[in-house]
Amino acid sequence: DAGVTQSPTHLIKTRGQQVTLRCSPKSGHDTVSWYQQALGQGPQFIFQYYEEEERQRGNFPDRFSGHQFPNYSSELNVNALLLGDSALYLCASSLFGGVSIDEQYFGPGTRLTVT
Amino acid sequence: DAKTTQPTSMDCAEGRAANLPCNHSTISGNEYVYWYRQIHSQGPQYIIHGLKNNETNEMASLIITEDRKSSTLILPHATLRDTAVYYCIVRVAPYYPVQSGSEKLVFGKGMKLTVNP
Repeated sequence: DAGVTQSPTHLIKTRGQQVTLRCSPKSGHDTVSWYQQALGQGPQFIFQYYEEEERQRGNFPDRFSGHQFPNYSSELNVNALLLGDSALYLCASSLFGGVSIDEQYFGPGTRLTVT
Repeated sequence: DAKTTQPTSMDCAEGRAANLPCNHSTISGNEYVYWYRQIHSQGPQYIIHGLKNNETNEMASLIITEDRKSSTLILPHATLRDTAVYYCIVRVAPYYPVQSGSEKLVFGKGMKLTVNP
């Protein structure tokens, strides 16, 4: 049973560029959440997708956008990159509306470096 | 903002029990206590959760005080592989019918546990 997978593993971009990160949820999961983790900090919630719609959003600017596909995989897009966007980007999947209390499964993350 | 406070760091000897404290004095009646850990360069991993009763699984035990204002995660026999940052989180857990907005996790800075040989 494949867990949450993310690609690429590492990425280096220049200020002002745009980046797309990808996530495939754990088998059987239909909800994807994205988190940003700066060095030395805990992960911060960016947004969550279910049924191809953004359901919740954290305190992140519109430069951060996402998409969910019919197969439940998801993309995170960041436009006009800033140095401060350098971080580990984590994807977490879960089952929306499950009868039992669930837990979120995290992928290994994508390390983004903006120079 | 995170609703929990944890020590910044803690050391534990290999083979001994590791007791990780967490304060959550403003916890609401419908909020659960969740614990995750993050081993270096990996994504967070779910450990355990509880509402008001003590819980145990194959990874750890969770002891929640009667007033629910604090809890302790217990790793009964710590190993070197338990070295990680541990996050204590309180949140409303999803249930049927689903509450919108109940699934996101609000992480604090966590507590670094170092297990020494």
